[in-house]
Amino acid sequence: KQEVTQIPAALSVPEGENLVLNCSFTDSAIYNLQWFRQDPGKGLTSLLLIQSSQREQTSGRLNASLDKSSGRSTLYIAASQPGDSATYLCAVYSGYSTLTFGKGTMLLVSP
Amino acid sequence: SQTIHQWPATLVQPVGSPLSLECTVEGTSNPNLYWYRQAAGRGLQLLFYSVGIGQISSEVPQNLSASRPQDRQFILSSKKLLLSDSGFYLCAWSVDRGGDTQYFGPGTRLTVL
Repeated sequence: KQEVTQIPAALSVPEGENLVLNCSFTDSAIYNLQWFRQDPGKGLTSLLLIQSSQREQTSGRLNASLDKSSGRSTLYIAASQPGDSATYLCAVYSGYSTLTFGKGTMLLVSP
Repeated sequence: SQTIHQWPATLVQPVGSPLSLECTVEGTSNPNLYWYRQAAGRGLQLLFYSVGIGQISSEVPQNLSASRPQDRQFILSSKKLLLSDSGFYLCAWSVDRGGDTQYFGPGTRLTVL
C-alpha cells in the first residue's frame, strides 16, 4: 500500500526566503506526482504535475523535483510571499485511478 | 473552460439523518469523477470514483454511497449519518483515468452533531 509522508508538517518563514517542502513515498512504482495548494476552507489547486519519466517541473517561482528511485520529491518556492501561505499537498498516482495524498505542509509566510 | 460546482458549501446535520451532496462539472464530457473526504488531522481519503454513468467504484467500506445519474453529475449520499462522517468533502474530475491532473471543487464542510 502506497504511503506518502510530508515534512515538515508546518513551516513559518519571513517574506523573501527560499524554502523547500519535502515529500516521500514508499512505493516507487508511480506514474506521476502532483503538488497541490489548499487555502483554508477551500478546495485544492493543482500546482505542478511531474510524470514518472521527468525529473522536474517549473512554474514561475515554483520548482518541483522527482527522484523516483529514492521515493522523494521536493517543492522549492523562491522568494516567498505572504500570498504563498497555504497548505501544500503532495499526491502520487500509482494506478487504478487513485491518488494517494500526504497530510500536507502548512506554510506561513510573514510580511 | 471547465468548472466544477459543489453544494451545499456548509451543512450541519444531526446523527441519524440522511445526506445528499451534489457535484456537477461543466465544460467537459465523460469526465472521471471522484469523491474525497478530508478529516481533521488526516490526509485526503478517496471515497468513490466513477469512469462513466452508473459506474461507481468504492475505495473504502463506509456509511456512504455514491451515484452518477448523469454524465457530469456525481452525488454522495448516506441514509443515516454518523458522527465520524464529519469532514470536508471534495469532488474532483479528470480527463484521463491514467493519472491526469485532477481538478477539485470548492468542497462541502459537513458537521454531524
